[in-house]
Amino acid sequence: EIVVTQSPATLSVSPGERATLSCRASQSVGMKLAWYQQKPGQAPRLLIYDASTRAIGIPAIGIPARFSGSGSGTEFTLTISSLQPEDFAVYYCQQYNNWPYTFGQGTKLEIK
Amino acid sequence: QVRLVESGGGVVQPGSSLRLSCAASGMTFSNYAIHWVRRAPGKGLEWVAVIWYDGTKKYYGDSVKGRFTVSRDTSKSTVYLQMSSLRQEDTAVYYCARDGSIEVAFMDLWGNGTTVTVSS
Repeated sequence: EIVVTQSPATLSVSPGERATLSCRASQSVGMKLAWYQQKPGQAPRLLIYDASTRAIGIPAIGIPARFSGSGSGTEFTLTISSLQPEDFAVYYCQQYNNWPYTFGQGTKLEIK
Repeated sequence: QVRLVESGGGVVQPGSSLRLSCAASGMTFSNYAIHWVRRAPGKGLEWVAVIWYDGTKKYYGDSVKGRFTVSRDTSKSTVYLQMSSLRQEDTAVYYCARDGSIEVAFMDLWGNGTTVTVSS
């Protein structure tokens, strides 16, 4: 099983600033990595797939351009360029290169 | 409106069984693989299982393999998760999610979840 490790566990950032979240896989997953956002009491929401492609979203309103993903192999990053109040949530990465698919333990993005 | 709705959660004793349902609407059900993902209290997401769009392939997470079975009924646009030999560590909110790719990969539409509590 591929172990996916996210860092930091908690990230405190002020609105308007940039947030950088990291995700590391225990072995290469190529570009087969997705990022999700989950707010309290809500279902997760797909943000990024194939490491860097922004999701369309359902309904198809699109994921804002301030969300971007990068990386390949074992090291990945989710960047939120200018934090909006609605961005404070828990973020998960997920690898889908090997069975069983696995998630990271999450990074909680909180208001500083 | 495209949606997934889970049901069947509840409070059960260790060692018992429970069947969860995931009803799809607003989409061509037979075109999509469906995943189950859970979130235990105070923990992160854990991928549980997936069933192919046509039901021909199924994969399971290591912690549920041999105890959980996923199936689907196209006539009812519903996917099921049969859970047996339940343990306290299976306590979680269970989500079903639609696969958003052509090769079974990531999840682009999620239900709101159903809660399973395993307790004596």
